[in-house]
Parts: sequence; structure tokens; C-alpha cells
Amino acid sequence: AQSVAQPEDQVNVAEGNPLTVKCTYSVSGNPYLFWYVQYPNRGLQFLLKYITGDNLVKGSYGFEAEFNKSQTSFHLKKPSALVSDSALYFCAVRDSGQLNDYKLSFGAGTTVTVRA
Amino acid sequence: NAGVTQTPKFRILKIGQSMTLQCTQDMNHNYMYWYRQDPGMGLKLIYYSVGAGITDKGEVPNGYNVSRSTTEDFPLRLELAAPSQTSVYFCASSYGANQETQYFGPGTRLLVL
Repeated sequence: AQSVAQPEDQVNVAEGNPLTVKCTYSVSGNPYLFWYVQYPNRGLQFLLKYITGDNLVKGSYGFEAEFNKSQTSFHLKKPSALVSDSALYFCAVRDSGQLNDYKLSFGAGTTVTVRA
Repeated sequence: NAGVTQTPKFRILKIGQSMTLQCTQDMNHNYMYWYRQDPGMGLKLIYYSVGAGITDKGEVPNGYNVSRSTTEDFPLRLELAAPSQTSVYFCASSYGANQETQYFGPGTRLLVL
């Protein structure tokens, strides 16, 4: 079985400060990991993904995420947060070993609020 | 290139009524998915399709049906609406499975009273 945990329901940071949104995962094989962002009353927008290779993945809007296999984590980071980064963030995982299971497992989401 | 489009944006249903949520993608993606989003629960997969004429159940299929007669369209049918189906529904598509990125529509907010 595959699963994702986002341990923080909310993250509050000041504009210009670093932003981190935490994600841990559980899979039986190797993970495919994704981050999505959802703005109010909008669909999910893809930010970045880890498939293989370099553990540091760079994505849209200045976000990056670091894959850590030993800690089974894939934390999302941004060096300097903007007020416009305020949104709901989802981490998702697929188990690469489950070839006929097309399900993406999503975390419950983390609400990020960046104050001016 | 509109991506994934969904209609309607919002709908109120009475218990026992039926409706179809429409989903269309113009990216020539083989794979399409329906998710529901409930507060604090993330997204749960309802049904998915790997190509025209092929559909399969996801995690929470009860109370729903789907069809896939064309590559572009993947409608979701609610036959007898129940309050438990009050949710936000998202359609998504991807070129392939596995490591392929899923692209989401704007969602349909459904309220069953």
C-alpha cells in the first residue's frame, strides 16, 4: 500500500522568509513523488515531481523539493516566500512497483499563509 | 489549448436526483481520472480510464458510474444523489501512467440537500 502524510495542517511565515512544507511517504517499491498547489476555488496546479536522479528537484514559481530516501521524505521549499504563495499544498505519491495501479495517493494538504 | 475543462462549476441537487458531471481534455491524453475532495481528506480516486472504452474503479466508486466513448470525454454519473456525495469533484488527465504528471480541471462543487 502507498500513503502520504503531511504532518502540518497549517504553515504560517512572513514574506521574505524561507518556506518549508513537510511530506513523508510510504511505498513498497520506489516512489514517484509530486507536489501540487491549489488556490481558492481553483483546480490543482502541478509544481514539481521526483522520478529518479538528483535528489533536489526544481519546479515552478521558485519552489524546490528534496527527496530523502532514508527519511522517506519529500519536503517542499522556497527560499523567500511571497504573499501570493498563500494556498493549499498537496503532496502525492505513486508506487513505481504497482504497474497496474494508477492511483495517486494524496496527503490531506497543508494550508500556507504568508503574511506581509 | 484549454487543457481539462469541467462543467458545471456548481450545482445543488436534491436527494435522489441524478446528474452528470462533464469532463473534456484537449491534450490527447490516454488516461483520465475522477477525484473527490473533502475538507481535510485530500483527494480520493473515484474512477479512472486508460483509454476509450476502458474504465475501472478507484478507491471510492460506490454511487458513481463512468463511461469513456472518446479519448476527449470522461463523464461522471451520479444516479441517486445522497448527502454523502456533497463534495468538490476534480477531473484529471495524463499522457501515461506511472511517473506521468496528472493535469487537473477547475472542479465542480456539488451540494446535495
